[in-house]
Amino acid sequence: DQQVKQNSPSLSVQEGRISILNCDYTNSMFDYFLWYKKYPAEGPTFLISISSIKDKNEDGRFTVFLNKSAKHLSLHIVPSQPGDSAVYFCAASERNDYKLSFGAGTTVTVRA
Amino acid sequence: GAGVSQSPSNKVTEKGKDVELRCDPISGHTALYWYRQSLGQGLEFLIYFQGNSAPDKSGLPSDRFSAERTGGSVSTLTIQRTQQEDSAVYLCASSLSAFTYGYTFGSGTRLTVV
Repeated sequence: DQQVKQNSPSLSVQEGRISILNCDYTNSMFDYFLWYKKYPAEGPTFLISISSIKDKNEDGRFTVFLNKSAKHLSLHIVPSQPGDSAVYFCAASERNDYKLSFGAGTTVTVRA
Repeated sequence: GAGVSQSPSNKVTEKGKDVELRCDPISGHTALYWYRQSLGQGLEFLIYFQGNSAPDKSGLPSDRFSAERTGGSVSTLTIQRTQQEDSAVYLCASSLSAFTYGYTFGSGTRLTVV
């Protein structure tokens, strides 16, 4: 039973525009949320995270928003750049649990 | 090493054969994880090692899967009598300690069982 869902398998965006990636979760015990980025033939790399006590965390061009009541989070990339073309995974964990539950990923393609 | 190293990068094996996948974590990282990603699925937790503590094997899908970590460093994931549903990318990750979620992942081993 997949507890973290990324319902959009792919997203295409024009360079310079905003990319918005969405993630929904079902486990109300999730306490910490992360986004990972993955290029082909490489392992995922940590991008940004957010704790459940916050509703927004920003790091440069990347901002993650958390809506706990809706069990929804999103990743905004502004402005999108060609190097952002990759697969993005949403992940979550319960408090004091080292295991992460991952979504299936969204492939982002940034068009020049 | 500078990153998490996994070998082999690709493995094709016949159904019923045993395979061993290797992970060399970042030096000094005490926590080591194995995940796998099947086609169209998210990463699935398999097993976790932390220092000298007993590993958390709760994610291993069957008793054909086992893993060990020798000397608190290199880890080997073994799959016995491989089945076609074992085909996936097996990813190893390490972190300084448990609950350090910004793991460093290796590039994975793509296992294909034919």
